[in-house]
Amino acid sequence: AQSVTQPDIHITVSEGASLELRCNYSYGATPYLFWYVQSPGQGLQLLLKYFSGDTLVQGIKGFEAEFKRSQSSFNLRKPSVHWSDAAEYFCAVGTMDSSYKLIFGSGTRLLVRP
Amino acid sequence: ETGVTQSPTHLIKTRGQQVTLRCSSQSGHNTVSWYQQALGQGPQFIFQYYREEENGRGNFPPRFSGLQFPNYSSELNVNALELDDSALYLCASSSDRGYVGGYTFGSGTRLTVV
Repeated sequence: AQSVTQPDIHITVSEGASLELRCNYSYGATPYLFWYVQSPGQGLQLLLKYFSGDTLVQGIKGFEAEFKRSQSSFNLRKPSVHWSDAAEYFCAVGTMDSSYKLIFGSGTRLLVRP
Repeated sequence: ETGVTQSPTHLIKTRGQQVTLRCSSQSGHNTVSWYQQALGQGPQFIFQYYREEENGRGNFPPRFSGLQFPNYSSELNVNALELDDSALYLCASSSDRGYVGGYTFGSGTRLTVV
């Protein structure tokens, strides 16, 4: 069965520091992978997605993610974190059934120290 | 171009009652998916409606039901509410089935069952 694991429940970084959020997936075929961000009281906003091609994907707000098939990982990175990046981040894998639904991980809450 | 609008934003219901949540999809979108996000968890797929027909269902009991209207807006109905139904309910619309066309998420309805 498809699944997504985000091993870090909380991560705290200082403003200006680099960030890496971990995501591991379980999927038999080539996965469709996504990162979403959720700010308090808000819905989910797509940061970036991987369907195929270049394994390093650029997204909005300066985020990037790298697909590593050998490690079943799709980690999210940002070179310099801003206080406004504090939010909940979700990794997701897209299914290939007729609904093309998303299976989400349990999320990582990012706290940013001034 | 309007986004996805959900109503109400918050509501409190008593165990055993019934509730209807509403979602207006983004203009031009013909697919609506509903997700349940329990506290501290990632969203879980409830079901999807494509052109007024149910097109995929997650692991939720039959007391969760839905509708999609000719204007592609949608309702989620939950009967015989249980305490565990307390969650944020997210609606997502897309111009094609699921993530293929790109989801637009609403801000959600926070349901509390007491």
